[in-house]
Amino acid sequence: GAVVSQHPSWVICKSGTSVKIECRSLDFQATTMFWYRQFPKQSLMLMATSNEGSKATYEQGVEKDKFLINHASLTLSTLTVTSAHPEDSSFYICSAYTSGNTYEQYFGPGTRLTVT
Amino acid sequence: EDQVTQSPEALRLQEGESSSLNCSYTVSGLRGLFWYRQDPGKGPEFLFTLYSAGEEKEKERLKATLTKKESFLHITAPKPEDSATYLCAVQERDTGFQKLVFGTGTRLLVSP
Repeated sequence: GAVVSQHPSWVICKSGTSVKIECRSLDFQATTMFWYRQFPKQSLMLMATSNEGSKATYEQGVEKDKFLINHASLTLSTLTVTSAHPEDSSFYICSAYTSGNTYEQYFGPGTRLTVT
Repeated sequence: EDQVTQSPEALRLQEGESSSLNCSYTVSGLRGLFWYRQDPGKGPEFLFTLYSAGEEKEKERLKATLTKKESFLHITAPKPEDSATYLCAVQERDTGFQKLVFGTGTRLLVSP
């Protein structure tokens, strides 16, 4: 149980274009989903937190107009990188959480974004 | 501000050579401390959650322990397949959205 998928697993796009990444919880309903970014040999940095049906909460320094997050249902959240630039190239990982007796977050496999 | 420091940054072991990874943390009120394993190019895989000082959890060759200031991940008789980056994260008690703060990880390499 507790499987989270991401699509696509990797994407290459040209500078100035937009890219959408999907995060799905496959076998549970996620009340909250999180989006992280990870640069090579660095740890995970939280970008934003989203609750189903609510606006996302962004971490300090993360541009909300550049990284659009939509949490339309209890099993799907999307991250859209708008007007991507080479410095946005990174590994994007989502995680999902469901309320209950434990507080574990389950992570997706990640999406490698390369902007040329 | 919550802080998590992991040591060592990298660790090389021979197969069968037991060792421990350290995670020191500062948090105003701990809800939980989490250990994850991450393989290159993949998302973190959940290992353990520890909630209170003195708690211990085991899974195969791994054992996690918790004190009020740090956690240890003990690896007994490791195998090459245990090679990965091990991440520690804390969650503050009063965080409404279950936010995790991660350490920078320990890269473990187990040689046959």
